[in-house]
Amino acid sequence: NAGVTQTPKFRILKIGQSMTLQCTQDMNHNYMYWYRQDPGMGLKLIYYSVGAGITDKGEVPNGYNVSRSTTEDFPLRLELAAPSQTSVYFCASSSGQSGSGELFFGEGSRLTVL
Amino acid sequence: GEDVEQSLFLSVREGDSSVINCTYTDSSSTYLYWYKQEPGAGLQLLTYIFSNMDMKQDQRLTVLLNKKDKHLSLRIADTQTGDSAIYFCANLKGDSWGKFQFGAGTQVVVTP
Repeated sequence: NAGVTQTPKFRILKIGQSMTLQCTQDMNHNYMYWYRQDPGMGLKLIYYSVGAGITDKGEVPNGYNVSRSTTEDFPLRLELAAPSQTSVYFCASSSGQSGSGELFFGEGSRLTVL
Repeated sequence: GEDVEQSLFLSVREGDSSVINCTYTDSSSTYLYWYKQEPGAGLQLLTYIFSNMDMKQDQRLTVLLNKKDKHLSLRIADTQTGDSAIYFCANLKGDSWGKFQFGAGTQVVVTP
């Protein structure tokens, strides 16, 4: 029972490098989200998607890009990594209005930019 | 201030009750949630309450909602060491389905 799977779990980047965090879910959820978690700051929404082909910005989208070509996958791209992007990133999915809106989270990706 | 606020730390003795408090600003919130995060893991839903309810009980968990004061609490009865975790309060914004607001999380430490 996979749920939401994120890769990689850990990554160290140099300033200016780029990378993609992968996220896939097998629950046929329409809604998918990317959050970042910083100590004492809770979760901040980066981008979200309400279905394949549709994405929208959250609270902190600068420096990131997403795409949603399929229902299952929602990759997050970091261009020109900066130390401010050091964080733990969580992908989540939800069935949306058909339920309580419960979010199912991946295990997180810890990114360090040096 | 933040849209969802909660205290950052709570220490409780094993066997006692824990109460975690949360306040929010969005009066149109439809659902309110409590998530639990264990070390190195993602968040998992503990319980939720619909905005037209005052209370919800689920085994050792009791959720109280005061809509007038925009205050949500989570009570854990007979707290166990396995309850040590970070607890996040969250709401679903009423004006835009799919947008959630999270508090900063309350670190609960259970001591023997």
